[in-house]
Amino acid sequence: QKEVEQNSGPLSVPEGAIASLNCTYSDRVSQSFFWYRQYSGKSPELIMSIYSNGDKEDGRFTAQLNKASQYVSLLIRDSQPSDSATYLCAVRTDKLIFGTGTRLQVFP
Amino acid sequence: DTGVSQDPRHKITKRGQNVTFRCDPISEHNRLYWYRQTLGQGPEFLTYFQNEAQLEKSRLLSDRFSAERPKGSFSTLEIQRTEQGDSAMYLCASWDGNTEAFFGQGTRLTVV
Repeated sequence: QKEVEQNSGPLSVPEGAIASLNCTYSDRVSQSFFWYRQYSGKSPELIMSIYSNGDKEDGRFTAQLNKASQYVSLLIRDSQPSDSATYLCAVRTDKLIFGTGTRLQVFP
Repeated sequence: DTGVSQDPRHKITKRGQNVTFRCDPISEHNRLYWYRQTLGQGPEFLTYFQNEAQLEKSRLLSDRFSAERPKGSFSTLEIQRTEQGDSAMYLCASWDGNTEAFFGQGTRLTVV
């Protein structure tokens, strides 16, 4: 079992819709959870962090964490074509471990 | 610029040559990570430092790879006798141990 798992996608949503990205992790002692966005050929850019169970909202982005289920998700409201990128879920214990990423495509 | 800086941005080398990459972290960050990323994959952990101490090295990292962080500031990653399979983006990230990690722009290595 991989430490951090994501569906590779692509996830295709129309402009204005809600995009839902999911991630599961295997290490129960993980304490910190992150979502990074990565455009093709660029390095990952942090967009959300979450440390406790529940929801955390920042603009159009909402991160959700459920430690009992070892599950973290990212919702993007009012999706825009500029949101088209690969979204990487990352989990930290003593080091930061990434999933393979989910490719999101937002079409006009 | 107070972000993470990597140099060079691109490197093309012939198979068998040695290459060295440099990472300058955010100055107050004591932890520094190296990752490798190939197309369609997430960043793969290679090694990390806390200050000048190298605390962990991935089992996937062959003996041809070595990293240093003298004086706990910048870090270098050296690949000896490069192989075509080493072609990838090499990413450096730094963090203060409490909050978020930030990445540099990466070094893209092409071995021909």
